[in-house]
Amino acid sequence: SQTIHQWPATLVQPVGSPLSLECTVEGTSNPNLYWYRQAAGRGLQLLFYSVGIGQISSEVPQNLSASRPQDRQFILSSKKLLLSDSGFYLCAWSIAGPGPGDTQYFGPGTRLTVL
Amino acid sequence: AQSVAQPEDQVNVAEGNPLTVKCTYSVSGNPYLFWYVQYPNRGLQFLLKYITGDNLVKGSYGFEAEFNKSQTSFHLKKPSALVSDSALYFCAVRSYTGGFKTIFGAGTRLFVKA
Repeated sequence: SQTIHQWPATLVQPVGSPLSLECTVEGTSNPNLYWYRQAAGRGLQLLFYSVGIGQISSEVPQNLSASRPQDRQFILSSKKLLLSDSGFYLCAWSIAGPGPGDTQYFGPGTRLTVL
Repeated sequence: AQSVAQPEDQVNVAEGNPLTVKCTYSVSGNPYLFWYVQYPNRGLQFLLKYITGDNLVKGSYGFEAEFNKSQTSFHLKKPSALVSDSALYFCAVRSYTGGFKTIFGAGTRLFVKA
């Protein structure tokens, strides 16, 4: 069966510091991968998605970036965090292919607090 | 543009009573509709989805949802609520014109009282 991991689970960082959040998927090959941010325990905002190694699409221009160095690894980064970057970051995967009916499966999330 | 509306910020029901969480959508072309549940400080869990076919979709934990094309709705239902159903519920929509982008509703918080 497939599993998705995120770490760290929680993170407290000062403003201006760098960020690296990691997501890995097990039990599947060539998944589509997604990064979402959830603010204030409510709606989800799609930040990035990837259909393959090195292929990243950005949905929202901001000081965050994403990379996919390996097939099942997705990294969210920032060079300098802002207070507004605080939130709950969720990684998700779906099977390969453009089908809009594909279910997305979410990781446990990382709660980031920027002070 | 695609959009999803969950008109109720919160739904309160008594344990054992039926529950409904409402969702309406707007999309170009055929919609692909999803319901997810989120427990505190956890990721989203998939409940069910509508792709095509029977308008009544059955999912996990006894939940079901009914697709209504004329009303552009996809309400989540359960015949008998449990206290453990208390959580945050998200409706989501995708379409071929939207590509990989899933549009999520703002979420509805369900409280089931014993």
